[in-house]
Amino acid sequence: AQTVTQSQPEMSVQEAETVTLSCTYDTSENNYYLFWYKQPPSRQMILVIRQEAYKQQNATENRFSVNFQKAAKSFSLKISDSQLGDTAMYFCAFMKEDNTDKLIFGTGTRLQVFP
Amino acid sequence: EADIYQTPRYLVIGTGKKITLECSQTMGHDKMYWYQQDPGMELHLIHYSYGVNSTEKGDLSSESTVSRIRTEHFPLTLESARPSHTSQYLCASGGGILTDTQYFGPGTRLTVL
Repeated sequence: AQTVTQSQPEMSVQEAETVTLSCTYDTSENNYYLFWYKQPPSRQMILVIRQEAYKQQNATENRFSVNFQKAAKSFSLKISDSQLGDTAMYFCAFMKEDNTDKLIFGTGTRLQVFP
Repeated sequence: EADIYQTPRYLVIGTGKKITLECSQTMGHDKMYWYQQDPGMELHLIHYSYGVNSTEKGDLSSESTVSRIRTEHFPLTLESARPSHTSQYLCASGGGILTDTQYFGPGTRLTVL
């Protein structure tokens, strides 16, 4: 069975600084997808970034980038130039490449951005 | 604008009542999902559907039931609500251009007294 571990329950960062959120996962699959989702307080969960395991190049979306280390089964999220609006719960998620499309979520990291 | 909707957003109800949580999407997605999330915790898949007349149970056992009579609609029903059902319920859809990516609704926060 696949598992996703986020070892940092809470993180804080000052506005304009950079922060990295950790995620590790366990799987015997070779092909899969990894995601970071953001859930702001009392607001909708939105996709931040996705990574296909067969791609060696790390995904990037504006200020958000990942460090995908397939051999180490690590998938960290880097947020550059942090903004107050980045304050949220961040969930790392895993999906096997099969027809089920089931997402396995980590326990989340609560990120607080301070002015 | 394509989106995914959930109603009600908040529901407080007494034990033993029957409730239906609504979820609809205008994204044209075939796949839809229900997740249960306790405050500050991870999401657990409780139901999913690949299309009309398709429903499957997720990894977390749930006393709720779902139906998928129309592509855009995926309601969740609890026949007799109990305090243990108090949680947040998130609906999602997927299977679009990025077939692996799921898009979430705003959630329904359910409290059973």
